Amino acid sequence: GENVEQHPSTLSVQEGDSAVIKCTYSDSASNYFPWYKQELGKRPQLIIDIRSNVGEKKDQRIAVTLNKTAKHFSLHITETQPEDSAVYFCAASIGRGSGNTGKLIFGQGTTLQVKP
Amino acid sequence: SAVISQKPSRDICQRGTSLTIQCQVDSQVTMMFWYRQQPGQSLTLIATANQGSEATYESGFVIDKFPISRPNLTFSTLTVSNLSPEDSSIYLCSVWGLFNENEQFFGPGTRLTVL
Repeated sequence: GENVEQHPSTLSVQEGDSAVIKCTYSDSASNYFPWYKQELGKRPQLIIDIRSNVGEKKDQRIAVTLNKTAKHFSLHITETQPEDSAVYFCAASIGRGSGNTGKLIFGQGTTLQVKP
Repeated sequence: SAVISQKPSRDICQRGTSLTIQCQVDSQVTMMFWYRQQPGQSLTLIATANQGSEATYESGFVIDKFPISRPNLTFSTLTVSNLSPEDSSIYLCSVWGLFNENEQFFGPGTRLTVL
């Protein structure tokens, strides 16, 4: 079945440093790759996403890269701040033929701690 | 104002009982889903709530345990039946395409504790 692997499970960085979280997926039909941030006791919130026809996307301090050949995508956070501390989840769409089912399969999550 | 709301926000239930969770969306949406997030874990898709027809369940989830209703394009319920402590989780509804073509937006979640 479809699978998304996410690494590392925990990541601790100093404020101002960069953080990188990596994911691999198995479904060749996946064409949409969102990243969610979940703070304690709150709902997951979309922070950035990328579609399969794009190799890289950036939004201020956050960027995502996608390598479709390797089925690999990564989240990059630069100039980290204490408020970036949260659990981050990658996800991949579950494709069906040429369409999109709307379903997502999630990675296991990465707990990011940014130390002041 | 809330775009997606869930009721209840949390509940404590006895084993063997059932809990029905409601999800209300401010706008009509085609795709609505239910996810489970076990303590300290990731999100797992339970089913797709189909309007006017039976829900589509993912592997490992069955209708008898997780009956779902979707009477219209703004509302759905998930029932967790015959509760056991292993059902203690956060249950989240989500909708697809509410703000833009691809974004899946989550409700606030319902935290269920089974004693």
